[in-house]
Formats: sequence, structure tokens, C-alpha cells
Amino acid sequence: GIQVEQSPPDLILQEGANSTLRCNFSDSVNNLQWFHQNPWGQLINLFYIPSGTKQNGRLSATTVATERYSLLYISSSQTTDSGVYFCAVNTGGFKTIFGAGTRLFVKA
Amino acid sequence: DAGVIQSPRHEVTEMGQEVTLRCKPISGHNSLFWYRQTMMRGLELLIYFNNNVPIDDSGMPEDRFSAKMPNASFSTLKIQPSEPRDSAVYFCASSLTWDTEAFFGQGTRLTVV
Repeated sequence: GIQVEQSPPDLILQEGANSTLRCNFSDSVNNLQWFHQNPWGQLINLFYIPSGTKQNGRLSATTVATERYSLLYISSSQTTDSGVYFCAVNTGGFKTIFGAGTRLFVKA
Repeated sequence: DAGVIQSPRHEVTEMGQEVTLRCKPISGHNSLFWYRQTMMRGLELLIYFNNNVPIDDSGMPEDRFSAKMPNASFSTLKIQPSEPRDSAVYFCASSLTWDTEAFFGQGTRLTVV
């Protein structure tokens, strides 16, 4: 089956810093989502981005489907950005495969 | 819409007891998914419903697990009998169709002692 790899596994930032999270996938995908799981465990939709670039405030994402990767950019990080960021892909069936996540901690 | 609603938020039960988790999907969504999240295995798909019909339950770990969707606005995940290794966070998600953006409920944290 498809492999989804996220990097880095852990990231510590000083508040105000920028970061880039990466998601590599081993096969072509129908769709791709980025989620933020906050410290309370809630999974929050960030982007639905099978291809192209989207921006939402301080966050933006780019998926290059032909090269099988997606990037999540966080600018001017805040302590509320802490949590785990998941990439999830769907390859054409109903199964969505989640990566292992990037655990982010933003220090004040 | 209030989003995907799950209940209860937390459940603590004794080994051997029956546990029922509940989910109300977003109105108009035709696809519903149950996931389980553990530290060891991450997020795993347990079962997928399309138009209230179970399409694939190959992710259900054992026969002790069962899921139903009697109508478009309600689904249950039942564990009978429960075991300590079932302790996890169980999420329900819904989407318009199987390949569109999925939205997750707040999850049910299950602890079996």
C-alpha cells in the first residue's frame, strides 16, 4: 500500500520563527489533507489540497502531485500552533492513510 | 452545522463490559468513517459507511467490534466485551463523498480498566 512519510518527526521553535513541514507519499493520490491535532486531541482541518498552493493566514500549503510531496508552511509561529500536524492521503479508494505526524512545540 | 458530534467524550469502563460510542455526522454527508488512534499505531481506519451501508470493515480488529448506521444522521461503534487493549481515542469523521474533505468529531477517549 501507499507509504506516507512526514518530516521532521519533532520540531521545537521559538515563538515568531517560521517552519516547513514535509509529507512524502509513495503513489499518486486523489486528495491530500493537512490536519492539526491540538493538545486537547481535536483534529482540525487545515487544508484540503490535492495539488497546487493554498494560504490561510499564517499557514500555507503546497502539493506537487507529480513529485509526490506536500509542504506545510507555518510563518510567525505562535504557542497555539503547538500540537501534531498530520498529512493524510487518499489514493482513489475510500481509505485515507495518515502519516505518523510532526510534533511541534512552540516556546514562548 | 455543528460539525461531527461524538458522545461520550470520555468513557471509563471495566474489562468485559459493553461499550457503545455514538456519532452524528454532518448533515448531507454521505460517507462516514470510524478511526482509532493509539500511540503505537497512530490513526487507523476501522470501518467506512457510504449512504448508511458498511462498505469495508477490514480495519475492525476483532469480532468484539461492531458498527451500525441505522440512518444518515447516526452511527454507533460497539465493543463487546471490552478489553484493556481497546483503550484508545476513537474518532468519527464524515465527508460529502469518500474522496472529499473529511471532518472529524472531537473523539471519544476510552479507557478500559
